Amino acid sequence: EAQVTQNPRYLITVTGKKLTVTCSQNMNHEYMSWYRQDPGLGLRQIYYSMNVEVTDKGDVPEGYKVSRKEKRNFPLILESPSPNQTSLYFCASSTRPLAPVDNEQFFGPGTRLTVL
Amino acid sequence: QKEVEQDPGPLSVPEGAIVSLNCTYSNSAFQYFMWYRQYSRKGPELLMYTYSSGNKEDGRFTAQVDKSSKYISLFIRDSQPSDSATYLCAMAVDYKLSFGAGTTVTVRA
Repeated sequence: EAQVTQNPRYLITVTGKKLTVTCSQNMNHEYMSWYRQDPGLGLRQIYYSMNVEVTDKGDVPEGYKVSRKEKRNFPLILESPSPNQTSLYFCASSTRPLAPVDNEQFFGPGTRLTVL
Repeated sequence: QKEVEQDPGPLSVPEGAIVSLNCTYSNSAFQYFMWYRQYSRKGPELLMYTYSSGNKEDGRFTAQVDKSSKYISLFIRDSQPSDSATYLCAMAVDYKLSFGAGTTVTVRA
């Protein structure tokens, strides 16, 4: 079954404690991206990756890091989380970044992060 | 000003009605236009995409793009309670996607 998995699904942490949210896809997609979703603001792109070892900033990259060492994995790293990073995070993958055709774009189930 | 503006609603319609959703945008460089559906506590799922002005139909769904007015619409015909969800518009240029805030739709049985 084609899917994007994220872990953990829920996380409560404290300010400054480094954390990693994992994202993995089993579809051999080249393009992966991270978004955060906040009420009234919709989804905002944090980082994206066009392929292994190729990443770039989205609209809201401050306070986040990513890496793409393998095609299937695209972890999101918060080196020193702050309360304004409390949000719902989604990972997505697709065969192409533009013109997602039919169902060739998949989102993960989301990770709800609370930073106290 | 946000690049993509979408009325958050909420929108409530009776079963069988036509649901009309729309977004406006300011960046004329956008190349692709998408609509996503998001059920509560789930990730978004792609409904439709288009890259040119005009209409595109898929079953009960019609996506409309007017590049001259920088305006896109989604119409849902014969709406069903299972269509109750949040609908997000999105637009893409280069490798970046920009989303609207989403419109919450409830279809009453």
